[in-house]
Amino acid sequence: DVKVTQSSRYLVKRTGEKVFLECVQDMDHENMFWYRQDPGLGLRLIYFSYDVKMKEKGDIPEGYSVSREKKERFSLILESASTNQTSMYLCASSLLRDSHPYGYTFGSGTRLTVV
Amino acid sequence: SQKIEQNSEALNIQEGKTATLTCNYTNYSPAYLQWYRQDPGRGPVFLLLIRENEKEKRKERLKVTFDTTLKQSLFHITASQPADSATYLCALEHQAGTALIFGKGTTLSVSS
Repeated sequence: DVKVTQSSRYLVKRTGEKVFLECVQDMDHENMFWYRQDPGLGLRLIYFSYDVKMKEKGDIPEGYSVSREKKERFSLILESASTNQTSMYLCASSLLRDSHPYGYTFGSGTRLTVV
Repeated sequence: SQKIEQNSEALNIQEGKTATLTCNYTNYSPAYLQWYRQDPGRGPVFLLLIRENEKEKRKERLKVTFDTTLKQSLFHITASQPADSATYLCALEHQAGTALIFGKGTTLSVSS
């Protein structure tokens, strides 16, 4: 089975800190994605990547950046954490077929609290 | 702008009945639609994908329909069980060849 591993299950950081959320997949998937999930707002796309060193903005990229130096790893960076970035962060990966992403495999999520 | 609506936030049914969840979308012409299951505190799990040229797809007790004229997908769970209790999400491509965007989900509760 494809596995998507997020480095931390729970994380508490202080306002203004630079935060790194790591995601690794083990099935050679081309595509990787970062979402955040908040009650009442559902899953919202932050950034995604279709290839190494490639990134595309999603719907809510402000305050975030990403890095994809290797195919299996996609990092989400909070440049200066703020309390409104307290959320559940979900990483996902998928194959690319017929120019369309296929079914996503999600990690278990990182619940980030910014105090 | 594109919009995905899952009509019910919560659906309560009795064990053994068929659960039917609805997903409507506007301002899209998606090539396919996907359904996911999410349990509390966990990431979503992919269930089914249906393409625009498919009217219906089945997998065990699950059935999905896709009506591109109505811009609607229906997700059915037959002979529902308490273990089917979860939040179910529908998802569409944001734009052709890009990432999925998700509906807010319907939380299904199956009582015994």
